[in-house]
Amino acid sequence: EPEVTQTPSHQVTQMGQEVILRCVPISNHLYFYWYRQILGQKVEFLVSFYNNEISEKSEIFDDQFSVERPDGSNFTLKIRSTKLEDSAMYFCASSEGQGAKFFGPGTRLTVL
Amino acid sequence: DAKTTQPPSMDCAEGRAANLPCNHSTISGNEYVYWYRQIHSQGPQYIIHGLKNNETNEMASLIITEDRKSSTLILPHATLRDTAVYYCIVRVAFNNAGNMLTFGGGTRLMVKP
Repeated sequence: EPEVTQTPSHQVTQMGQEVILRCVPISNHLYFYWYRQILGQKVEFLVSFYNNEISEKSEIFDDQFSVERPDGSNFTLKIRSTKLEDSAMYFCASSEGQGAKFFGPGTRLTVL
Repeated sequence: DAKTTQPPSMDCAEGRAANLPCNHSTISGNEYVYWYRQIHSQGPQYIIHGLKNNETNEMASLIITEDRKSSTLILPHATLRDTAVYYCIVRVAFNNAGNMLTFGGGTRLMVKP
């Protein structure tokens, strides 16, 4: 069964450093998303991406964040200058249409 | 998207049916009911969705009341691996926006041996 994959599973970085989280969505899917979950809190929407552009973003997704689909298979989330409060699980998701979304296993980001 | 209300936690005996309720009294005619679950910090997992008819798949059944103001997710024979947080989410099926999901607190289902 096809699935969304994410790398790395755990990323540790120093405050102020740039990080890139990588995702490989399900191959025939057209919509791509990033969500995050701070430990003990709710899953929060960050951004959605369709047709090579951002279609919606939340207040969390400020200028420090960017997304890219550099080739036909990868979907990345870049945090330009990490802060302590960026520590969270980051989940990538994809969907074929506007229906069910399929999530990856997540990347645990720890900012020291 | 309409707001949903779920009990914060429920217990279920292994092998029995787990019935998880969700209230969505302000649901609009073009909003679907989606169910996802999250097993211990893993990525949320899609379970099922429906508009007004009852739905069934290999994972669960979804029963939506006739007035659509509430629904019940049924896991027919719960196993220990079904222990998770279950999220009921109501959203418009098609829009010009980003198609985001808004997760609430969900129901923490504990399946006990």
